[in-house]
Amino acid sequence: RKEVEQDPGPFNVPEGATVAFNCTYSNSASQSFFWYRQDCRKEPKLLMSVYSSGNEDGRFTAQLNRASQYISLLIRDSKLSDSATYLCVVNARGRDDKIIFGKGTRLHILP
Amino acid sequence: ETGVTQSPTHLIKTRGQQVTLRCSSQSGHNTVSWYQQALGQGPQFIFQYYREEENGRGNFPPRFSGLQFPNYSSELNVNALELDDSALYLCASSSSGPTGIYEQYFGPGTRLTVT
Repeated sequence: RKEVEQDPGPFNVPEGATVAFNCTYSNSASQSFFWYRQDCRKEPKLLMSVYSSGNEDGRFTAQLNRASQYISLLIRDSKLSDSATYLCVVNARGRDDKIIFGKGTRLHILP
Repeated sequence: ETGVTQSPTHLIKTRGQQVTLRCSSQSGHNTVSWYQQALGQGPQFIFQYYREEENGRGNFPPRFSGLQFPNYSSELNVNALELDDSALYLCASSSSGPTGIYEQYFGPGTRLTVT
């Protein structure tokens, strides 16, 4: 099993719809979780951290399920500007820190 | 803007050569991580520096090495370049402490082409 797995997509979603992505991780010792977005040929930008209690930032909601070892991202009322690749990031602490990015999920919002 | 800068923005090298990439971290951040991102892939963790010491390493050979300076800026050195080293190299800075890594902020990257 890969350390961090995401559905590569693409997800083609009409503007205004709700879309959800999941990301699974294999290391149960993972402690920190994040979602980043990356536009074509640009650097990743932090979208939100994922807390155990879940967190919401405007149209975006992130959830963590430790028992099933996945994190999720929900985007409501999607906008054309939400089109990007969404990367999940897992930080596992052990003998040393290791930061694992998923390969990303591509999202296309259709007008 | 994140305040993380990288230089150079683009670089072309020949197989077998050596390269040094530079990163200035965001003010107040004590941790720098380096990533390699091939086209169509997620960033691959190379290593991380915390207070001038390597604090974690991904699956990269020893010819990938780094440094962090007292002002928390950092260098990534790659020796004996191979064609597969062609990629976008990203630097990210963050605050870190005993409880783990906090949010990372990325620089714009250095695009390395090895011919």
